[in-house]
Amino acid sequence: DQQVKQNSPSLSVQEGRISILNCDYTNSMFDYFLWYKKYPAEGPTFLISISSIKDKNEDGRFTVFLNKSAKHLSLHIVPSQPGDSAVYFCAALKDYSGNTGKLIFGQGTTLQVKP
Amino acid sequence: DTGVSQDPRHKITKRGQNVTFRCDPISEHNRLYWYRQTLGQGPEFLTYFQNEAQLEKSRLLSDRFSAERPKGSFSTLEIQRTEQGDSAMYLCASSQGQGAYQETQYFGPGTRLLVL
Repeated sequence: DQQVKQNSPSLSVQEGRISILNCDYTNSMFDYFLWYKKYPAEGPTFLISISSIKDKNEDGRFTVFLNKSAKHLSLHIVPSQPGDSAVYFCAALKDYSGNTGKLIFGQGTTLQVKP
Repeated sequence: DTGVSQDPRHKITKRGQNVTFRCDPISEHNRLYWYRQTLGQGPEFLTYFQNEAQLEKSRLLSDRFSAERPKGSFSTLEIQRTEQGDSAMYLCASSQGQGAYQETQYFGPGTRLLVL
């Protein structure tokens, strides 16, 4: 049961253009979402997060949008740079009493930014 | 460097052998997590510590797996009688765990295990 889905395994964009990575979730109890970037042979690096009480969070070139009714979030990278080429993971956290902070990850989307 | 560190970074072992991995979290973080990642998948939760107490274990963590966090500092993950299906990247993460549910987990570089 894949509760967090990233349906696009890969994405290719030109340098300077916008990259949009999408993520869908099924569990309405999720209320905190994070994006991580991962280079080969390294651990995931935290990028940006958003709480369910917001619909947008921005940090420099990175913006995350949350549509709770559609159970969908997206990560926008503007402008895209070749150094952004990596695998991007969406992750969700469910808040309830006894919450452990266990993250549920999507399968990842490989972004390639072409010079 | 005050990030999460893991040792070793790579481990090759023969089927049936035991292996042990170590994780040193960010010093002020009291929550520590272990995840496993296989090719083409996102990380999957294995287990979680709040200080020295192991509070949750995934069904993925069979009886051959054991994790400890003595004194609430570093943690070890041991796999006994390794199988080829154990080959994966083992990731450790830590967070402040101040009681708020909104917390960010910071990951180490991982230990890549190959079981021959």
